[in-house]
Amino acid sequence: DAKTTQPPSMDCAEGRAANLPCNHSTISGNEYVYWYRQIHSQGPQYIIHGLKNNETNEMASLIITEDRKSSTLILPHATLRDTAVYYCIVRPPYNQGGKLIFGQGTELSVKP
Amino acid sequence: DAGVTQSPTHLIKTRGQQVTLRCSPKSGHDTVSWYQQALGQGPQFIFQYYEEEERQRGNFPDRFSGHQFPNYSSELNVNALLLGDSALYLCASSSGPGTQYFGPGTRLLVL
Repeated sequence: DAKTTQPPSMDCAEGRAANLPCNHSTISGNEYVYWYRQIHSQGPQYIIHGLKNNETNEMASLIITEDRKSSTLILPHATLRDTAVYYCIVRPPYNQGGKLIFGQGTELSVKP
Repeated sequence: DAGVTQSPTHLIKTRGQQVTLRCSPKSGHDTVSWYQQALGQGPQFIFQYYEEEERQRGNFPDRFSGHQFPNYSSELNVNALLLGDSALYLCASSSGPGTQYFGPGTRLLVL
């Protein structure tokens, strides 16, 4: 079973920041938080991941709370092409399998 | 640099038949994982291959089997197809324990 809880859907205005929350209250100390997104009928696209510290790349920023029980994915300037299902995943370390366990994700709709 | 590629893109089979799906990993990757995604659901882990061995397996019956070749490419085989096997089958590759990158998927329809 997925170890994360996400809202089923969110709306965001084009050009505004999209903030997608994720709860992972049972995360272990050596488990990473990964974010993927899936645009309709395509393969999931990797966005970003982190362990403890906040992370930023060309696509997004990841903010992880100090207790690591929740995180937020931030798309700083959402465009219509960011409309997708966003999955927050707690990934066990490789020596425990390392497989990705997907939940239902958050369906983000970016509106003009 | 080509990413993960999968073939075929679409496939239609009838109940009881067998199917083989193929995956070529991203250049430099040696690990391949397979996932099944039913309509409206998140992907579900089937199994993972590394060094031509099945390294980890999800909760799927023995009808689902796989293989990894010396060039790291992989096949997913499903025997005795059921209507419930209709899904998008996704392949993901990684360099060992690194980030998994997904291919576009193969959409299988079982009639």
